[in-house]
Amino acid sequence: GEQVEQRPPHLSVREGDSAVITCTYTDPNSYYFFWYKQEPGASLQLLMKVFSSTEINEGQGFTVLLNKKDKRLSLNLTAAHPGDSAAYFCAVSAGYGNEKITFGAGTKLTIKP
Amino acid sequence: GPKVLQIPSHQIIDMGQMVTLNCDPVSNHLYFYWYKQILGQQMEFLVNFYNGKVMEKSKLFKDQFSVERPDGSYFTLKIQPTALEDSAVYFCASSLSGEGTEVFFGKGTRLTVV
Repeated sequence: GEQVEQRPPHLSVREGDSAVITCTYTDPNSYYFFWYKQEPGASLQLLMKVFSSTEINEGQGFTVLLNKKDKRLSLNLTAAHPGDSAAYFCAVSAGYGNEKITFGAGTKLTIKP
Repeated sequence: GPKVLQIPSHQIIDMGQMVTLNCDPVSNHLYFYWYKQILGQQMEFLVNFYNGKVMEKSKLFKDQFSVERPDGSYFTLKIQPTALEDSAVYFCASSLSGEGTEVFFGKGTRLTVV
């Protein structure tokens, strides 16, 4: 089955700096890719969903890159601010109709002042 | 936005007893899921459910586990009997359709088996 590896497990950056979280996956049939943000005590919040046909996706204050050849997905937070402190999870789905999503182990991001 | 509600947020139960975790999915959603997250580890798929039936389950979905959604009410995860290794946070989720649509997660129920 699908394996998703996420790095790093912990990341600390200064406010205003960038932060990069990377996931690799194994199933070449993976088609949908997700980044979720989870603040303490809260549910998962979808940051972005990308399809395998799009390599670069920009959101508010972040960019998601998809490299299908290397089976790698990354989240790049630009100019981090304290509100970005949270756990981030990548997730992958082959989209066969049952929407089984395989998650990465998560990255705990801390933004230092 | 749409919310998935999980009740209770915490539950402590004696090993061997039965526990039912309740989930109130987004009202018009058709697909339902349970995920398990042991402290410090990744969230792992347990089961998904559609049209009154389990569609797919992982090896973590032991024989002691069962799910149902009687008459469109709560989507429940029942564990009977519980074991110490069942201690984890259980996340319920729902989606409108099965392919590529956004999956909405609840805040989780922290289950502690003692």
